[in-house]
Amino acid sequence: NAGVTQTPKFRVLKTGQSMTLLCAQDMNHEYMYWYRQDPGMGLRLIHYSVGEGTTAKGEVPDGYNVSRLKKQNFLLGLESAAPSQTSVYFCASAGTGREKLFFGSGTQLSVL
Amino acid sequence: SQQGEEDPQALSIQEGENATMNCSYKTSINNLQWYRQNSGRGLVHLILIRSNEREKHSGRLRVTLDTSKKSSSLLITASRAADTASYFCATDANRGNTPLVFGKGTRLSVIA
Repeated sequence: NAGVTQTPKFRVLKTGQSMTLLCAQDMNHEYMYWYRQDPGMGLRLIHYSVGEGTTAKGEVPDGYNVSRLKKQNFLLGLESAAPSQTSVYFCASAGTGREKLFFGSGTQLSVL
Repeated sequence: SQQGEEDPQALSIQEGENATMNCSYKTSINNLQWYRQNSGRGLVHLILIRSNEREKHSGRLRVTLDTSKKSSSLLITASRAADTASYFCATDANRGNTPLVFGKGTRLSVIA
């Protein structure tokens, strides 16, 4: 039982490049989330999904897109990376009751 | 904007002492959860307290909730160096699928 797996763990991009972060969970969870964490800012929600085929905007959605084509996967895309998107990205999932979020180990992204 | 706000931002104590962290929030909630984050890792769920509960224990953790003051506290008794981490509260608002909102966290350092 792997839990929540994020790939890649580290990535360096040049401004304007695109990339996709993958989050996979094997717990059959309905809810999935993408957060970013910056020093002194805590966790800020980017996008989330309440089930397969659904997505919704969080607190800081601009510059990101997401897709949930399969229940176990939640993809976060950066279409044209900017230095302001340098951050640590965390994916999380939760079951129907949302009483416990399970987090991945994070992706350290640097945009130069 | 964050729903939960932790206080203090940073706390440094000696091993064996108790550590108390506080969380204030703004709107009515279904439950409040506490998470721990070791440096460079994903968050790990510690404990959940429901809106109709006033106190909950789990090992060396004690959580209280005062819904009239919209505040919660996390007490770690007999702290150990291994408790060094950041601690976050997260509130589950009493509104449908609204995602959990995390505070900015308290950085706890336990000195051996």
